[in-house]
Amino acid sequence: KQEVTQIPAALSVPEGENLVLNCSFTDSAIYNLQWFRQDPGKGLTSLLLIQSSQREQTSGRLNASLDKSSGRSTLYIAASQPGDSATYLCAEQTGANSKLTFGKGITLSVRP
Amino acid sequence: DTAVSQTPKYLVTQMGNDKSIKCEQNLGHDTMYWYKQDSKKFLKIMFSYNNKELIINETVPNRFSPKSPDKAHLNLHINSLELGDSAVYFCASSQRGAEETQYFGPGTRLLVL
Repeated sequence: KQEVTQIPAALSVPEGENLVLNCSFTDSAIYNLQWFRQDPGKGLTSLLLIQSSQREQTSGRLNASLDKSSGRSTLYIAASQPGDSATYLCAEQTGANSKLTFGKGITLSVRP
Repeated sequence: DTAVSQTPKYLVTQMGNDKSIKCEQNLGHDTMYWYKQDSKKFLKIMFSYNNKELIINETVPNRFSPKSPDKAHLNLHINSLELGDSAVYFCASSQRGAEETQYFGPGTRLLVL
């Protein structure tokens, strides 16, 4: 059974801290891994997409890595800000036109 | 200017009623999706359409019927609503299937009483 796990479910850090959010997946036949952000009461916003042939992707203060052999992806947020407070979800896709399987998300709170 | 829009934003209804949720995307994408996010915030795919053709149909009760009149619209009709249908329903779209970035709508919050 294809599963995506995100632990811990919640994280609170002081402003300015660098942090890493973890995501693990069980299906090694990964096609791509995506990270999304969800603000309270809103839809999801795509942050980064890593193809299976890639090791990492970067966008501004965000860097996502993919390690297929260990079934893990990480989202690194540099110099966190209160505006980064949101729920971060990772999702795995195992083939073209196949579904995205989501983790339950990590709710991040960045304290001023 | 909204890329993916859904109506209504909130829907409160009685058990047993039939309701519809509409979704439209103005991105020119070929593929559209419906997701359900339950009270524990777990997000799960329900359906996916590519150029008006159903390509993903997860284990969803027959009471849920998606309809795609054209590739810019994917509506969700729900018959005989049950308490367990209460959730947030998200529509999304992408260019060539899920391997491309998906763009989500703001969600429809359904409460069945």
